[in-house]
Amino acid sequence: EIVLTQSPDFQSVTPKEKVTITCRASQSIGSNLHWYQRKPDQSPKLLIKYASQSFSGVPSRFSGSGSGTDFTLTINSLEAEDAATYYCHQSSSLPHTFGQGTKLEIK
Amino acid sequence: DVQLVESGGVLIQPGGSLRLSCAASGFNVSSNYMSWVRQAPGKGLEWVSVMYSGGSTYYADSVKGRFTISRDNSKNTLYLQMNSLRAEDTAVYYCARGSGGYSLDSWGQGTLVTVSS
Repeated sequence: EIVLTQSPDFQSVTPKEKVTITCRASQSIGSNLHWYQRKPDQSPKLLIKYASQSFSGVPSRFSGSGSGTDFTLTINSLEAEDAATYYCHQSSSLPHTFGQGTKLEIK
Repeated sequence: DVQLVESGGVLIQPGGSLRLSCAASGFNVSSNYMSWVRQAPGKGLEWVSVMYSGGSTYYADSVKGRFTISRDNSKNTLYLQMNSLRAEDTAVYYCARGSGGYSLDSWGQGTLVTVSS
C-alpha cells in the first residue's frame, strides 16, 4: 500500500499569505495525485487532479505541482473562505489512499 | 447536474449487517469509476472501495472480505453491503464519482454509520 504523508498537519495563516502544503508518497506514483478541500459539514471538493490540472470552477489561486514522490499544493493570496482541511489522494495503485490531511486555520 | 445521494446509515450493533445506497442522477454509474470513502470521527478520509465501469471491484484491506460494492444499472444506484460490522467502521460514508480518470470530482453528502452496542 502506498502511504501518503502530508506536511504540515496544521497551519495557522493570515489572509493574503501564500500557503504551501506538501504530500510525499512512499513510492513513485507518477502524476496520479489529486488534492481535495473539505470544509466542516461539507463534502470534499476536488481542487487539483493529476498533480497540476485545475478542476473546473476552482479559483486560480489554487495550484499544484510535482511528480514521482513529492507534490505541492499552493494557495496564493489566501482568503478567509479557504479555512478547511486539505487532503491528497493517489490513484496510481490499489488500494487508492489518502494523506492524513492538513488543517488550515485563518488567523 | 450531477448529483449523488447516499442513504442507509443507522446505529447498528457490532456484528450486524447494513447496506448503503448511493442514488446517482445526471450521469450513469455504469459508465464511471465509482468509489466509497469514509471518515471516522476525528479522523481523515479513508478510501474504502471502488467499482470500475467494467465491473472490477477492489477494497481496502480494512474491509476486504466484509464489504461488497455493487451497482444496479436500472436504478442508477451504487451500493455498499457491509457485514460483520465493527466499532471501527463507525464513520460518515461518502460515495464519489471518478471522471476523466480516477480523481473524484463529485461527492454525495454522506451517510452516518454508527456501530455500537
